[in-house]
Amino acid sequence: SQTIHQWPATLVQPVGSPLSLECTVEGTSNPNLYWYRQAAGRGLQLLFYSVGIGQISSEVPQNLSASRPQDRQFILSSKKLLLSDSGFYLCAWSLGSQHEQYFGPGTRLTVT
Amino acid sequence: ELKVEQNPLFLSMQEGKNYTIYCNYSTTSDRLYWYRQDPGKSLESLFVLLSNGAVKQEGRLMASLDTKARLSTLHITAAVHDLSATYFCAVALQARLTFGEGTQLTVNP
Repeated sequence: SQTIHQWPATLVQPVGSPLSLECTVEGTSNPNLYWYRQAAGRGLQLLFYSVGIGQISSEVPQNLSASRPQDRQFILSSKKLLLSDSGFYLCAWSLGSQHEQYFGPGTRLTVT
Repeated sequence: ELKVEQNPLFLSMQEGKNYTIYCNYSTTSDRLYWYRQDPGKSLESLFVLLSNGAVKQEGRLMASLDTKARLSTLHITAAVHDLSATYFCAVALQARLTFGEGTQLTVNP
């Protein structure tokens, strides 16, 4: 069966510090991978998605970036965090574009 | 741009009552998903609706899809406290899902 991991689970970072969030999927090959952000009490905003290694599509201009160094690894990064980057970051995977997305446990980021 | 609207955004109901959550979307799509989110947790998949007229049921929840009206409903029958959560619909367009703002459901004893 497939599983998706995210770490860390929680993170408190000062404004201006760098960020690296990691997502890995087990039990499948060549998944589509997605990064979402959820602000408190709000819906999900798609940040990035990837259909293969090195293929990243950005949905929203911001100070975040994503990379996919391996087939089942998706990384979300920032060089300098802003207060507005606080939120719940969710990684998801799907088998192709026509299939249901499955979500990881999430990382709760607080920028102080 | 695809827009997805849910209503109501907040719903407080008594145990044993029935209610319906609505999900309207602006662009043609034949795939719609319903997710549940408990406080502080990730999203759990509830239903996948893939065609016009699709109806899925699981326990006290039933979801339907009308692609011509661009409308999906999530019907709650005889609500129980364990159904308290936030429910999201998500509409697929190509490789992306666009989520509604969510309906925060509270079921009171």
